Amino acid sequence: KAGVTQTPRYLIKTRGQQVTLSCSPISGHRSVSWYQQTPGQGLQFLFEYFSETQRNKGNFPGRFSGRQFSNSRSEMNVSTLELGDSALYLCASSSSILGTEAFFGQGTRLTVV
Amino acid sequence: GENVEQHPSTLSVQEGDSAVIKCTYSDSASNYFPWYKQELGKGPQLIIDIRSNVGEKKDQRIAVTLNKTAKHFSLHITETQPEDSAVYFCAASTPGSSASKIIFGSGTRLSIRP
Repeated sequence: KAGVTQTPRYLIKTRGQQVTLSCSPISGHRSVSWYQQTPGQGLQFLFEYFSETQRNKGNFPGRFSGRQFSNSRSEMNVSTLELGDSALYLCASSSSILGTEAFFGQGTRLTVV
Repeated sequence: GENVEQHPSTLSVQEGDSAVIKCTYSDSASNYFPWYKQELGKGPQLIIDIRSNVGEKKDQRIAVTLNKTAKHFSLHITETQPEDSAVYFCAASTPGSSASKIIFGSGTRLSIRP
């Protein structure tokens, strides 16, 4: 069974640009959540989607948004990038609601210059 | 708000010895406690989890204990090996609630000395 796939693995963007990251969950998993990982803040919850609906959102500005498609694939978008958005963005999938076993992808390393 | 505190932040043990990582959570409604191992350049990997109706769970060299009254839970690794070197994260969540999310501890960097 394939794991969680995130693309791209690495990304370099300029301040002010926008970026879209993609996540394909484990087959059959309907919950996809996103996390930002930085050395200073650790793993912080961004949002969770279940059956194309955002169920929960963390404390991030509105520049961070996401969506989920009918095949459970998810995308997250960050607009007007800031230097502080440089981080590893991780996607996790669960078979049902978030909070049961969640499996992470390898992440997308975003660098904003 | 919800918070998970994790100690120590770094831990170095001799190969073959045991390692213990401790966490404390604040939300009394939390009832699911996973542990993740993150190796360099990889995403966190779920290694063991425990639910609030269980006090202890073991899987080969790894065990997790939970004290719900004290809101403490711990990871125990016995007979440590070089491949155990990684960053370990504890977490707490409340599955099934409308605000379900996983709150992570700050991580423990475990180094195994040969």
